This record gives sequence, structure tokens and C-alpha cells, in this order.
Amino acid sequence: EVQLVESGGGLVQPGGSLRVSCAASGVTVSNIYMTWVRQAPGKGLEWVSVIYPGGKGSSTYYADSVKGRFTISRDDSKNTLYLQMDSLRVEDTAVYYCARGLTYNGNLCDYRGQGTLVTVSS
Amino acid sequence: AIRMTQSPSSLSASIGDRVTITCRASQGISSYLAWYQQKPGKAPNLLIYGASSLQSGVPSRFSGSGSGTDFTLTISCLQSDDFATYYCQQYYSYPLTFGGGTKVEIK
Repeated sequence: EVQLVESGGGLVQPGGSLRVSCAASGVTVSNIYMTWVRQAPGKGLEWVSVIYPGGKGSSTYYADSVKGRFTISRDDSKNTLYLQMDSLRVEDTAVYYCARGLTYNGNLCDYRGQGTLVTVSS
Repeated sequence: AIRMTQSPSSLSASIGDRVTITCRASQGISSYLAWYQQKPGKAPNLLIYGASSLQSGVPSRFSGSGSGTDFTLTISCLQSDDFATYYCQQYYSYPLTFGGGTKVEIK
């Protein structure tokens, strides 16, 4: 069974940094598209980033709102996806979900976790 | 970025009703349109992809149609388990974008 467990959320001050993780089991993160999506409290879904399958240098894409501040990556030895978030803003407050891409199109997402809450506040 | 506009933002319906939600893209996206269902406190769940293909395990009362810029999600006979928020998403080009959501509530 595929499991994706997000962790690492918490309270951080504006301008600070945080790294959230997504530990996978039942699937190999290096072999598939992996995506982060977020949802601010009481708001809709916002696509954040995707990393393509493959080795080092896999293609990555970002939402305009996080480009230059967030970095998606993975550790193949730990089968874990990461989102490094720098220069955090109040508007980055959200539940962050990771998802695996489906075989027929990697940008179609299968969400398995409960998300991790990131709160940016002074 | 491609803007996705959903309507209505919310609706009230009864069990057994036929419900239709529309989604419009700011530019043509062929059939690269997905619909997700989300219940409170839960992650989204894929219902429809390719504008009209039913994801495995999703009840046949859900259907999708459209191409280019205009799309619809139809629930043919609303069930109690269908009260949720529905989102369209284009996966034609990066950055991927979601519609604002449609909350389906019990009348």
C-alpha cells in the first residue's frame, strides 16, 4: 500500500525558513513525479511545485508565488520528498500536502497524507 | 499563468438532484483538465482526468465534459457522500492552477 506521510510543519516567523518532508512507502519517489500542493486556512488549493523522476538534476517547476524562495528536492536513500521554504511570508501559512504522480500523467495527483501545517506569524 | 474560474462558488442541493459545476480556462488547455473532490480536513481525491475520463474507483454518477476552455462536472444523482468541495485543475502548462472551488451543501 502506498503511504505518504508529511511532517516538519510548525510555527515560524516571517523571513524565516522551514523544511517540510514527505516520507514515502510502497512507492519509489525517484521513479515518479512528486508534487507539493498547499491550502491556506479556509481557502482553496494552490499548486506549489513538482519534481520529475530521475537522478540528480531532475526538472523542477514552481508556482510564481514561491519561485526563488522554495526548493523541492528528494533524498532517494530515504525515499523522502522535501520542500525547503525560505524567506517565508505570512501568506505562506497553509497545510502542505505532498502527492505522487499517476502513471498516465505525472501531473495528475494521488494524495495519501493528511498534510502538515505551516504557520508564518510573528 | 492560466486562470481557472469555477462557478458557482457554492450551491445547495438535495439527495437525488443532478448537479452541474462549470470551469472556464483563461486560454485553451485542450483536454488537460482534472476534477478533484475534497472533504473537510482531508486531502483532495481525483475524480476525473482528461476532462472526461473517470478515475478508477470513482462512482459512475460522476462525469465530466468539455475541451478547450469550457468544462463541466456533473453528478447525476447526488448522494450524501458527495457533499464536499470540488476543484478543477489544468495540467496543460506550468504553473499548474486550480479553480477557486465549488462547495456542494445539503439543502
